[in-house]
Amino acid sequence: DAGITQSPRHKVTETGTPVTLRCHQTENHRYMYWYRQDPGHGLRLIHYSYGVKDTDKGEVSDGYSVSRSKTEDFLLTLESATSSQTSVYFCAISVNRRAENGELFFGEGSRLTVL
Amino acid sequence: AQSVTQPDIHITVSEGASLELRCNYSYGATPYLFWYVQSPGQGLQLLLKYFSGDTLVQGIKGFEAEFKRSQSSFNLRKPSVHWSDAAEYFCAVGPQGGATNKLIFGTGTLLAVQP
Repeated sequence: DAGITQSPRHKVTETGTPVTLRCHQTENHRYMYWYRQDPGHGLRLIHYSYGVKDTDKGEVSDGYSVSRSKTEDFLLTLESATSSQTSVYFCAISVNRRAENGELFFGEGSRLTVL
Repeated sequence: AQSVTQPDIHITVSEGASLELRCNYSYGATPYLFWYVQSPGQGLQLLLKYFSGDTLVQGIKGFEAEFKRSQSSFNLRKPSVHWSDAAEYFCAVGPQGGATNKLIFGTGTLLAVQP
């Protein structure tokens, strides 16, 4: 158990509404990530963070923003949800930013449906 | 462009049978290679990884993988599958010396185990 909690675990919303997903970790690790998982695409990185107020874009960042005001929380916001953002969202943490040391520990996912 | 391919979307094996899941990559240099497993409703968990040295690596749950440079492959194997191995398996590649945020995941192979 890597001490990662995602909330909400399931959400149904309508197009155009704002949505915020929360990732909370109890390990105080610096490195946190948001991925989306879609059939036929595997996992794709949305945004990541290397520390408080230190965030950067991943492969599929359009339509998403993130914030990290505390080490333990990494928020993913969809300012105006679209149907193409229907997906399962995973938060992950790593102990180290380097790939050879940075095993990813994943949360259980948040399933978002945008109608 | 860097990519990772898992050619088998879905595989069914009988319990006790051997298993091989395929992973091919396209990369400029020898990458770091990973296999992750995702049980239903769960996040991903690292099975094993290859960075250098012995091309046959052992992982958790009795899995192993072999790096074959000439074939740009990193196939996952298990000699005898258990019903609890039913899950989705993801291959991932990352740059040597690079950051975790550069990991590229394959599209996954869903493994079903018949009694």
